[in-house]
Amino acid sequence: KQEVTQIPAALSVPEGENLVLNCSFTDSAIYNLQWFRQDPGKGLTSLLLIQSSQREQTSGRLNASLDKSSGRSTLYIAASQPGDSATYLCAAHNNNDMRFGAGTRLTVKP
Amino acid sequence: GAVVSQHPSRVICKSGTSVKIECRSLDFQATTMFWYRQFPKQSLMLMATSNEGSKATYEQGVEKDKFLINHASLTLSTLTVTSAHPEDSSFYICSARGSGSEKLFFGSGTQLSVL
Repeated sequence: KQEVTQIPAALSVPEGENLVLNCSFTDSAIYNLQWFRQDPGKGLTSLLLIQSSQREQTSGRLNASLDKSSGRSTLYIAASQPGDSATYLCAAHNNNDMRFGAGTRLTVKP
Repeated sequence: GAVVSQHPSRVICKSGTSVKIECRSLDFQATTMFWYRQFPKQSLMLMATSNEGSKATYEQGVEKDKFLINHASLTLSTLTVTSAHPEDSSFYICSARGSGSEKLFFGSGTQLSVL
């Protein structure tokens, strides 16, 4: 059974800093790995999707990497802004099953 | 921790039939539930948000008459795909949130294949 862990659980940084969020998974036989953000009162917003054959994906200030062999993914946020404050979740998609990490609550202080 | 149970995990059906997917919160009262779907090689997309006792709010492009969502109790929400067609084949997943909490708990998903 896949287990997904996210570290840290919470992170507070000053505006402008670059930061890295970590996601680890126990079963490397994944179809894909996704990163989401969750804003208060809302559902998930998909940020980046990395297929199992890919090693990274980029969108604007976000870059996500995937290392299946080590069971790790990272989400890099460059030049953080207060609007980036949210909870970030990763999810590993295996056969008929998607497992989410518990999330990292990010606060970017002005 | 809180658990959300989603059933079935996999369903194969013939075109034209209806399929019901259940999402249950096992140890908390889920005042809000979200339904998502993911097509192959695409990102997970929100379909609808349902609050217990109210009509679901559907995202743009999601047909409410085709994807019937019922959230009649604080522990159960159902998604019924009516008159399913092969293009409805997708991975469906629910998430639930309790009153006053921002934390989401997820079902493990349902893989729907329509022949």
